[in-house]
Amino acid sequence: DGGITQSPKYLFRKEGQNVTLSCEQNLNHDAMYWYRQDPGQGLRLIYYSQIVNDFQKGDIAEGYSVSREKKESFPLTVTSAQKNPTAFYLCASSKPTGTSGGEQYFGPGTRLTVT
Amino acid sequence: GEDVEQSLFLSVREGDSSVINCTYTDSSSTYLYWYKQEPGAGLQLLTYIFSNMDMKQDQRLTVLLNKKDKHLSLRIADTQTGDSAIYFCAESKSGGYQKVTFGTGTKLQVIP
Repeated sequence: DGGITQSPKYLFRKEGQNVTLSCEQNLNHDAMYWYRQDPGQGLRLIYYSQIVNDFQKGDIAEGYSVSREKKESFPLTVTSAQKNPTAFYLCASSKPTGTSGGEQYFGPGTRLTVT
Repeated sequence: GEDVEQSLFLSVREGDSSVINCTYTDSSSTYLYWYKQEPGAGLQLLTYIFSNMDMKQDQRLTVLLNKKDKHLSLRIADTQTGDSAIYFCAESKSGGYQKVTFGTGTKLQVIP
């Protein structure tokens, strides 16, 4: 049963601590993405990766870091430099548009609360 | 730059049709998507349409695209309480990597 998993569903951290959010996919998709969602707002792109060992900054990359050592995994670290880290974080993956409409498939999300 | 606009809220009675509207600014948009998000969950792809199409139907869902006016709509026939959710419109251009621009979402409330 293919899909995207994110863990944990809820995460609580103290201010000043780094925290890593997990994202795994078994869809054999090349591209993976991290978005941030705040109440009443659309999704904002943090980082994306088209292939293993390569990734690019999105629109709001400051205070975040990622790695892509395996095709299946794209973890996101929220560092202490991120000024407003409390949010709902969504991971997604997609196939290239040559093989599909480029649609993205999303994980269930991780709600991070920093106090 | 790209921009996608949606109204924030829509309320309908169970059994009626719902129409959720979206406008976008980028005339080079090639793919347009509709996603559904239930509370506390990720986004679920409902359907997408290529810009060379003007309509796509999938069971209770009908997507209409007016490329000239850059207007996209999602019609849900026979709306059910389970359709209550936030609906996101999104657009992207073609290419190996898709930068997808999402609207702010329309919250659909279905009244029993």
